[in-house]
Amino acid sequence: DAGVTQSPTHLIKTRGQHVTLRCSPISGHKSVSWYQQVLGQGPQFIFQYYEKEERGRGNFPDRFSARQFPNYSSELNVNALLLGDSALYLCASSQTTGSNQPQHFGDGTRLSIL
Amino acid sequence: AQSVTQLDSQVPVFEEAPVELRCNYSSSVSVYLFWYVQYPNQGLQLLLKYLSGSTLVKGINGFEAEFNKSQTSFHLRKPSVHISDTAEYFCAVRIPDSNYQLIWGAGTKLIIKP
Repeated sequence: DAGVTQSPTHLIKTRGQHVTLRCSPISGHKSVSWYQQVLGQGPQFIFQYYEKEERGRGNFPDRFSARQFPNYSSELNVNALLLGDSALYLCASSQTTGSNQPQHFGDGTRLSIL
Repeated sequence: AQSVTQLDSQVPVFEEAPVELRCNYSSSVSVYLFWYVQYPNQGLQLLLKYLSGSTLVKGINGFEAEFNKSQTSFHLRKPSVHISDTAEYFCAVRIPDSNYQLIWGAGTKLIIKP
C-alpha cells in the first residue's frame, strides 16, 4: 500500500508569493495534519482536518490556510510568503483523530524562500 | 501546558555500542508518549509508543523505551547500534482524549562512529 505522498518534493519561491502544497493520505485514513519543521527543530503543528472539517489549528498566522477534499487529500496554502516560512512541511495521516492513533508521515515538501 | 525536552542535541557513539537518547516531559495530566525517527531527507517514522500498561515498550529496529512516571521520562535505548541507525530522533507527547496535537522535542542526532 502507498504511504502518505506529498507534492512537490522541493519548491523555491520569492517573498510575497503564495504556495500550495498537496498531500494524499494513506488509503482509509480520514484525518490529515500539517506540520512545519524549521531546520534544527522539531515539527510545529499547523492544522488538522478530519472529514473535510478543521479540527485543530496551531499558532500560525492567517496567511496559512488548508482544506480537505472528499477523497481526504489535502492542500496547505501559504500567502504573502516570508523568509521565515522556509522549512520542511510535513503531512501526516491517521485513521481518525483519536489521540492514541499514530500519525504516518510523508517525506515532506522542502520550501525555500529567496 | 505540556513541553518535551530532549537533553542532548547530538549523541556520538561507536558502532555496536549501546545508546540511550533522553527525553523528559512536563505535564499536569497523563500523556501518551511517542518516539519518531527521521532519516536524512525523509519524513518521520514511528519507532514506538506508550499508551498504557507495561512501562517497557519495544519498537522497530531493536529500539525500546521505558516510561518512568515519577521522573517524567521516556528514554530510548538500543543495546547495539548500527551505522544505519544514523538519523535524528524525536520524542513527542499527546494528551489522551483530546484534540491537542503532538508536542515535539527539538530532536537528538544520533551519530554512529565506525
